[in-house]
Amino acid sequence: DQQVKQNSPSLSVQEGRISILNCDYTNSMFDYFLWYKKYPAEGPTFLISISSIKDKNEDGRFTVFLNKSAKHLSLHIVPSQPGDSAVYFCAASYTNAGKSTFGDGTTLTVKP
Amino acid sequence: EAQVTQNPRYLITVTGKKLTVTCSQNMNHEYMSWYRQDPGLGLRQIYYSMNVEVTDKGDVPEGYKVSRKEKRNFPLILESPSPNQTSLYFCASGKIANIQYFGAGTRLSVL
Repeated sequence: DQQVKQNSPSLSVQEGRISILNCDYTNSMFDYFLWYKKYPAEGPTFLISISSIKDKNEDGRFTVFLNKSAKHLSLHIVPSQPGDSAVYFCAASYTNAGKSTFGDGTTLTVKP
Repeated sequence: EAQVTQNPRYLITVTGKKLTVTCSQNMNHEYMSWYRQDPGLGLRQIYYSMNVEVTDKGDVPEGYKVSRKEKRNFPLILESPSPNQTSLYFCASGKIANIQYFGAGTRLSVL
């Protein structure tokens, strides 16, 4: 039973346009959600997070939206840049608890 | 420089030969965790530790052991590796359990 799903294995967008990456979860007890970015031959790096008490969190070009009723979160990147090309993982956890569940990742390609 | 260091970065071994992958962090983080990444399966958590001497199973703990005798180190032990443990392994640490900082990864091949 995969509790966190990223249904799009890949996404390609033009430089300057918006990138929208999606993530669905099944466990309503998750209360903390994160996005990580991963370049080849490197470990994932933390990008942005959101607590379940919020429905939006913004950090520069990156915004995460959380729809609790739909058990859905999305990451918006505006404007997209070629350096954003990477694999993006969403993750779900319980606040200050140890278990983390990751999605399979979405490979974003931003074309110049 | 704040970092999570894993060693070795690459390892080829044979079935049944015990091995240890070390993980060390210099950020004084309480939380540490191990993951494996396989094609199409994302990151799956093996074990985590909320603090010294406190460890717990993740989603795929079978065939692995860990220990947390000191805050900075969290080694991953494969007592009897098997080919299905061929994978890319990541260690992570965090001040709190949610936001994690990852090492560069260890690519393990078990023949």
